[in-house]
Amino acid sequence: AIRITQSPSSLSASTGDRVTITCRASQGISSYLAWYQQKAGKAPKLLIYAASTLQSGVSSRFSGSGSGTEFTLTISCLQSEDFASYYCQQYYSHPWTFGQGTKVEIK
Amino acid sequence: EVQLLESGGGLVQPGGSLSLSCAASGLSFSSYAMSWVRQAPGKGLEWVSGISGSGVTTYYADSVKGRFTISRDNSENTLYLQMNTLRVDDTAVYYCAKAYGGVSDGKFDYWGQGTMVTVSS
Repeated sequence: AIRITQSPSSLSASTGDRVTITCRASQGISSYLAWYQQKAGKAPKLLIYAASTLQSGVSSRFSGSGSGTEFTLTISCLQSEDFASYYCQQYYSHPWTFGQGTKVEIK
Repeated sequence: EVQLLESGGGLVQPGGSLSLSCAASGLSFSSYAMSWVRQAPGKGLEWVSGISGSGVTTYYADSVKGRFTISRDNSENTLYLQMNTLRVDDTAVYYCAKAYGGVSDGKFDYWGQGTMVTVSS
């Protein structure tokens, strides 16, 4: 199975900050990577797919980049509603696998 | 509007069985692959199993292979997960998730609210 290593596991930031989360795949996955946001007690929400394509309705504060084995999610100007957990997921080959998650907390 | 509604969760003893359902509405159900994704308390997301739109092709995580069976009834717009020989580490919220694209896509654009499965003696 393809392993996805996500970092950091948590971070503290302030409203207005720029935040970057990284995922590394154990083998090349082209651009078959998605990012999700999950708030406490809620289902995940798709933010970005194909590494850099913004899902309809998602704020342009979110952006994704990368291909092959290294990927990043950037939140350009953190807002209060962005404090949540974020997960990356590869869908290049079965079994689909998720990163361990990053919890973005208020500083 | 797409809606996914899971049911069937509960408390079961180790070694027991449980069957989950996910009723879908607002979509052409047979056109999309579906998956089950779980989340143990305080932990991250784990993909469990997936099924093609036709139901012909199924996939499983190694952790559940041989114990869980995914199926779907396209005439009833319902996804199922039969879970046998349950273990304590199967305790989790189980989400059903709709694939974004076609019959074998692996990114998920709609999720249910989840149903809790607790395996404990």
